[in-house]
Amino acid sequence: DIQMTQSPSSLSASVGDRVIITCRASQSIRNYLNWYQQKPGKAPKLLIYAASSLQSGVPSRFSGSGSGTDFTFTISSLQPEDFATYYCQQSYSTPPHFGQGTRLEIK
Amino acid sequence: QVQLVQSGAEVKKPGSSVKVSCKASGGTFNNYTINWVRLAPGQGLEWMGRIIPILGIAQYAQKFQDRVMITADKSTSTAYMELSSLRSEDTAIFYCAREVPAAGTEWFDPWGQGTLVTVSS
Repeated sequence: DIQMTQSPSSLSASVGDRVIITCRASQSIRNYLNWYQQKPGKAPKLLIYAASSLQSGVPSRFSGSGSGTDFTFTISSLQPEDFATYYCQQSYSTPPHFGQGTRLEIK
Repeated sequence: QVQLVQSGAEVKKPGSSVKVSCKASGGTFNNYTINWVRLAPGQGLEWMGRIIPILGIAQYAQKFQDRVMITADKSTSTAYMELSSLRSEDTAIFYCAREVPAAGTEWFDPWGQGTLVTVSS
C-alpha cells in the first residue's frame, strides 16, 4: 500500500493568511493526488484533482502543486469559510489511501 | 448532475450487522464506480472498498475484507455497504462517493451526505 503523510496535522491561522499544507507519498504517485475539504457535519468536497487541477466552482485562492512523492496545497488568502479539515488522497493505486488530515483552525 | 443520497442513521448492538444504502440519481449508474469511506471520531478518512456496478465486481481494503460486503442493484441505481461483526470502534460516519475516472487517474465526486452508525450495547 502507498502511505500518505500530511503535515501539519493541525494549523492555526488568521483570515487573510497564506496557508500551505504538504503531503508526501511513500513512493512515486506521479501526479495522481487529490485534495478534499471537509467541514464538520458535512461530506468531503473535492477541491483539487490530479495534483494541480482546480475542480469546477472552487475559488481560485485554492491551488495545488507537486509530482512524484511531494505535494503542496495552498490557500492564498484564507477566508472565514475555509476553516475546515483538508485531506490529500493518492489515486495511483488501490487502496486509494488518504492522508491523516490537516485541521485548519482560526487563530 | 449526479447526486448520491444515503440511508438514515442507525444504532446497532455489538456483534450485529449494518447495511447502508447509497442511491444515485442523474447520470448513468452502471458507468460509475462507487466507493465507501469511513470517518470515525477523532480519525481521518478511511477507504473501505468500491464496486463497479456494471461488472458487479467489488474490491475491499485489507482491514475490512473479512467483515464488509459492497453490492449494487442496477435496477434501482443503489449501492450498499454491509459491515458485520460490529464493535464499538466501528461507530463512525460512512460515506459513499462516485469515482470519476480521467487521464489514467480518478477522484471522488460527488459524495453522499453520510450515514452515522452508532454501535452501542
